[in-house]
Amino acid sequence: DSGVTQTPKHLITATGQRVTLRCSPRSGDLSVYWYQQSLDQGLQFLIQYYNGEERAKGNILERFSAQQFPDLHSELNLSSLELGDSALYFCASSAGGGGSNQPQHFGDGTRLSIL
Amino acid sequence: AQKITQTQPGMFVQEKEAVTLDCTYDTSDQSYGLFWYKQPSSGEMIFLIYQGSYDEQNATEGRYSLNFQKARKSANLVISASQLGDSAMYFCAANRRNTGFQKLVFGTGTRLLVSP
Repeated sequence: DSGVTQTPKHLITATGQRVTLRCSPRSGDLSVYWYQQSLDQGLQFLIQYYNGEERAKGNILERFSAQQFPDLHSELNLSSLELGDSALYFCASSAGGGGSNQPQHFGDGTRLSIL
Repeated sequence: AQKITQTQPGMFVQEKEAVTLDCTYDTSDQSYGLFWYKQPSSGEMIFLIYQGSYDEQNATEGRYSLNFQKARKSANLVISASQLGDSAMYFCAANRRNTGFQKLVFGTGTRLLVSP
C-alpha cells in the first residue's frame, strides 16, 4: 500500500461528459502529480502541484484542469470527453517539490472508459 | 529534453535465475535521477530503486540492483533470484535534479515473465 488514495477506481462515461478524479496524497507529502497511461502514449506526465500551487505542466489538454486544496488532496477534472481520453490516470505524491532523489509514490489509478 | 529508451518489449526468465532489464537515457542535464517502477497486472505502480547521476556506487535494494554506467548513459535493472511474483511490466524513468519541479519521464516498459 503506497499510502496514496485515488477514487474512483473505475469510471465509465460517455463522450462529451465531464468527470472528476480525486487523489489523497501520502501523509506528509506536499507534492501531487497526475499522469496518464494509455496504450498509444504510454505514461505521460500531466501536471504537478506543490502545497496548493501549480509547479509544472506537461502534456495536459486544455479540456483538463487540476487543483490542489488546502488539505493537500487534489482533483483532476476532465471535460468534453473524447474516446481517446480512455486511459488509466495515476496520482502520485512526494514530500518535496523539486527534482530530487525522493521517489514519487503512486496510487492504484483510476481507469476511465469513454463509451 | 530527456528521453528514456527500453529496447526489450518482453523478457522471459526462469524462476531463481537473474535477469537484466535494459534502460538507456538521453539527457543533456548534469544532475538527474533514475528510477525503476514495477507495474503488476493489477495496475498499480510500485517504486523499486533510485540512482542519482552523481552517486558513485550502484544502488541496491534487496534483490534489485542498478547497473549504472554513466558514460554509456545506461541504468539497467538487475533482478536476482527471480520469483513468480516478479512477473510484471517494468518502467525506467528519469527526472532532472536541482529544479523547482519533479516531472518523471518514462520509458515504454519491459514486460517480464517468470516461469516455474
